[in-house]
Amino acid sequence: EVQLVESGGGLVQPGGSLRLSCAASGFTVSSNYMSWVRQAPGKGLEWVSVIYSGGSTYYADSVKGRFTISRDNSKNTLYLQMNSLRAEDTAVYYCARDLLGGGDLWGRGTLVTVSS
Amino acid sequence: SYELTQPLSVSVALGQTARITCGGNNIGSKNVHWYQQKPGQAPVLVIYRDSNRPSGIPERFSGSNSGNTATLTISRAQAGDEADYYCQVWDSSTLDVVFGGGTKLTVL
Repeated sequence: EVQLVESGGGLVQPGGSLRLSCAASGFTVSSNYMSWVRQAPGKGLEWVSVIYSGGSTYYADSVKGRFTISRDNSKNTLYLQMNSLRAEDTAVYYCARDLLGGGDLWGRGTLVTVSS
Repeated sequence: SYELTQPLSVSVALGQTARITCGGNNIGSKNVHWYQQKPGQAPVLVIYRDSNRPSGIPERFSGSNSGNTATLTISRAQAGDEADYYCQVWDSSTLDVVFGGGTKLTVL
């Protein structure tokens, strides 16, 4: 079955760090554009980051310098390392495949709450 | 940075046609994708590259894109179409992915 499953969310204090994972099955992560998208409670979708098949990475200004997207080809898994977390980073984080051509596959999301 | 503008809400009578717009500077030159999101669920792609339907999406969903406006059209609206709808593009000048603010569709 083709699917994405996120994990790693939870409660973290401001200034803390968290690493999200997105395990893929049924297709190869490294052959696709893979993105992270977040949604704050009651708000719209916000693109966070993308990693191209060639390995290039790009970030939204709101997370640049704090978040790092990466992948492990051997595990067919996408990651998002989040450092210096702020209250405004509180959101459900989704991984998605190929937003450039139309994101045809999304995970169910993992909730990150930044609070003291 | 590139911006996409959607109406906050659209209402449609059961069985009638709903149109949700997505405005952006020369958006007609970009590929526009549309997503449906129901409460507590992940977004689902309903239209890609302006007017293409993924498999499993009813023919009632269609899209168009020209000039400064892209439009998602939902014909013969059903109660199950009630959801938030988002447009999305890729901005080739900044390499950013951009989402519209979302439109809540209510079927009366």
